[in-house]
Amino acid sequence: NAGVTQTPKFQVLKTGQSMTLQCAQDMNHNSMYWYRQDPGMGLRLIYYSASEGTTDKGEVPNGYNVSRLNKREFSLRLESAAPSQTSVYFCASSHTPTGNIQYFGAGTRLSVL
Amino acid sequence: RKEVEQDPGPFNVPEGATVAFNCTYSNSASQSFFWYRQDCRKEPKLLMSVYSSGNEDGRFTAQLNRASQYISLLIRDSKLSDSATYLCVVYTGTASKLTFGTGTRLQVTL
Repeated sequence: NAGVTQTPKFQVLKTGQSMTLQCAQDMNHNSMYWYRQDPGMGLRLIYYSASEGTTDKGEVPNGYNVSRLNKREFSLRLESAAPSQTSVYFCASSHTPTGNIQYFGAGTRLSVL
Repeated sequence: RKEVEQDPGPFNVPEGATVAFNCTYSNSASQSFFWYRQDCRKEPKLLMSVYSSGNEDGRFTAQLNRASQYISLLIRDSKLSDSATYLCVVYTGTASKLTFGTGTRLQVTL
C-alpha cells in the first residue's frame, strides 16, 4: 500500500551542490509530476511526464531537470542548487494525462544554504 | 490576479460549528474542480471533487457556481480532526496542469 514514495525526506545542500530527488509509484499510473510548495505561493508545477518516455516543463522549470526512468520512476535533479530552491518538493502521479486526481508523495524538505 | 484565490484564514471555529470556505478562479474554461486537504507538514490529499450539481460526502458539501466562477466547501459539525489547510484546485485542461490555491487554514478548537 505504498502509493507514491519519495526519497530523501530531508536534505541540506550548500549553494552549487547537485542532488537528485527520487520518486516512485506503484499504482501503475501513466502520469507523474513534480511540484514545489513555498509559503504563500501554493503548489507550483516544475515538470511533468504525461507518459513513459515524455517530459514537459511546468510553471517553474528553471534550475531543474527530470528523468522518467520507467513507468514507475520520475526523478528531479538540481544541477547547481541555489538558496531560491529551498522549498518542499512533492511528487505526484495520476492515472490519466489529464491529471484530474493526483496522488502525492510525502514530500522532500530541501534547504540550500 | 491569481488563477485560483482563497482566503488564507485562519478560520478558528469551535467544535460542532459549521464553517464555509470559498474559492474563486479566473479561467472560465476550467473543466474540473477539487478540494484537497493538507495537514501540517504532510502531503495534499484529495478530499472531494466538485460537480456542477453540488455533491455531499458526509459532513462535507461542495458547490460549484460556473457563472460566478467560484467553488465552495461547507463543513458541518466540525471535528478537531478537521483542522488542516484546505486547497482549492482547478483543472483547465491545459497540459495536464492542476492549479492550486494557496489554501485556507482551519483550526477547530474545544
